[in-house]
Formats: sequence, C-alpha cells, structure tokens
Amino acid sequence: QSALTQPRSVSGSPGQSVTISCTGTSSDVGGYNYVSWYQQHPGKAPKLMIYDVTKRPSGVPDRFSGSKSGNTASLIISGLQADDEADYYCCSYAGSYTSVFGTGTKVTVL
Amino acid sequence: EVQLVESGGGLVQPGGSLKLSCAASGFTFSDSAMHWVRQASGKGLEWVGRIRTNTKNYATAYAASVKGRFTISRDDSKNTAYLQMNSLKTEDTALYYCTKAGDGFDIWGQGTMVTVSS
Repeated sequence: QSALTQPRSVSGSPGQSVTISCTGTSSDVGGYNYVSWYQQHPGKAPKLMIYDVTKRPSGVPDRFSGSKSGNTASLIISGLQADDEADYYCCSYAGSYTSVFGTGTKVTVL
Repeated sequence: EVQLVESGGGLVQPGGSLKLSCAASGFTFSDSAMHWVRQASGKGLEWVGRIRTNTKNYATAYAASVKGRFTISRDDSKNTAYLQMNSLKTEDTALYYCTKAGDGFDIWGQGTMVTVSS
C-alpha cells in the first residue's frame, strides 16, 4: 500500500490553469475508476472535489475537472482563483476493500 | 445538518490503547460505509480502515500499518462508528478523521487528536 505519487507543489497566476498528477499502479489507479480528489485548506477537514475519476459533487465549480490515463489520474483547475490555494490529495480504491491516498500537492496562486 | 463528530482523542503512552468515536447525524448512518483517515502534523492523509454496512456483514478492512492493532466497529442504533486502537506507537500520533463513503468520501468530521508519547 504505497502512497500514490503527486508533485509536491504546483503554482499558477489567477485565471490560469494548473494540472496535478497522481501516479499509482495497475493495482490501484490503473485498475479501477474509483479515483477521488480532496481539497484541504490549513486547519480544515478535507473536502471532496471529484469522485469516480471525472464526476463533480453538487456545489463544486466546473473549473475543477478530473481525468485518467493508464496509471495516472489528473486534477485540472482552470480559471485559478485565490481561494483555490490549498493542499490537494488524490485517493484511489486499491483492491481488497482498501484505499490509498496520494502524497499531496500544495497549490499556490501567485 | 449533515455532520460527523469525532471524540475520544488524547495523550497515551506507547503500548497503550485508546478508543475513538464518530457520531453521525443528518443522514442514514446504517446505509453508509464509514472510514477512518489520519493525518500527522504537517503530513499527508493516510487511509486507516473502513467498515461496511449490515447488508455487507459489517466487513472491515485496514491499512497494513495498523492491521492487527486497530479495530473498527459501529453501533447503528447509536449512529456511531468506533476506532479501537491498541499497541499504540509514536508513529500513530495524528489527527484522526472519520468520513462517510458515498460517492467518494463526501462527509468529514473535524478530527480528534491522538498523541502517543511517554
């Protein structure tokens, strides 16, 4: 159960787009369409942003989108806003009813 | 209001035990699988384990790092999930969240802090 690999940090200016990658294996990300993404502001609980690779919960702006290719999933944030500055974590089903999180990515809005 | 409220955290010595609770309200708890996730200070999220519903025989699963030491249970009559932690190690020090599994982990509590130290 090794953590999924994410870049430590990404940054962009307001209005720009950023992409966060989440790399796993065929036993987790690549094997199932159960990748979700969470936003966490400092001192706060995580918030669900994307589930089942591409689906957005009600209330999450359509600036947030998800995709997957092979063993790598991605979260794309378009039209970057100041409030998007936070930590982001991917999570995947990993078989045998277990889950695994990514290492986390800090998004900085320049 | 839909919410999860964790409690039971505190300071415990290495080798000790602690039982966390997660009280749910605002949704049909008995229909929901529940998970525990932890986060050490300044670190990332780590999945701890989960318990399924009555229709799935309350099946549990755990991360390798806690398997054999931690046990998840639930009392649907009290809308509460539990995390029994035994043989605690210093590396178990973290903020422990419970979260509801729906479409993703869609509801989170505020967390309860567990510190394992002598």
